[in-house]
Amino acid sequence: SQKIEQNSEALNIQEGKTATLTCNYTNYSPAYLQWYRQDPGRGPVFLLLIRENEKEKRKERLKVTFDTTLKQSLFHITASQPADSATYLCASLSSNTGKLIFGQGTTLQVKP
Amino acid sequence: DTGVSQNPRHKITKRGQNVTFRCDPISEHNRLYWYRQTLGQGPEFLTYFQNEAQLEKSRLLSDRFSAERPKGSFSTLEIQRTEQGDSAMYLCASSSYQGSVHEQYFGPGTRLTVT
Repeated sequence: SQKIEQNSEALNIQEGKTATLTCNYTNYSPAYLQWYRQDPGRGPVFLLLIRENEKEKRKERLKVTFDTTLKQSLFHITASQPADSATYLCASLSSNTGKLIFGQGTTLQVKP
Repeated sequence: DTGVSQNPRHKITKRGQNVTFRCDPISEHNRLYWYRQTLGQGPEFLTYFQNEAQLEKSRLLSDRFSAERPKGSFSTLEIQRTEQGDSAMYLCASSSYQGSVHEQYFGPGTRLTVT
């Protein structure tokens, strides 16, 4: 079955460093991947979408890559800040239904 | 506030009772989605509507679950004869589908606890 996997272990980094989160997919080839941020007790908030024919997408301090050979997306936050601490969710998007298949999320903790 | 709203935010119920949740999407959005999220997991798709038509239901959605979007605006999700395994956060999201993909806007969720 279609599956999205993220590292379930929390990622702890020092303020100012670059955080890199990994998303792997198996048993299918999504045309789109999205990344969301989720704070405790809140719904996910959309950050970025990348298409399979785009190798890289940037938005301010965020960068997402999509490697269809490795079946992997990487999500980078440069110059990280304590306010970036949250759970980050990777999701594949069905272009027909708009249905999202989510990974389990990776919690990022940025220490001052 | 013109975002997605959900009510109630929290619901505690006893096993066997019925519960109903409401979602009000962003007004111009024609697609509405329901997801369920348990602790430490990402949201799982349950069902979605385009306008008032329910176009897909997950196999996760047992016969005890029903969703409606009667006028293509707000939606309700009802769970009959609740079980402890139904305890989760129920998230609603909306999007504007116009022939291409768009991001989904999520509500704050309804946290259900079944005792």
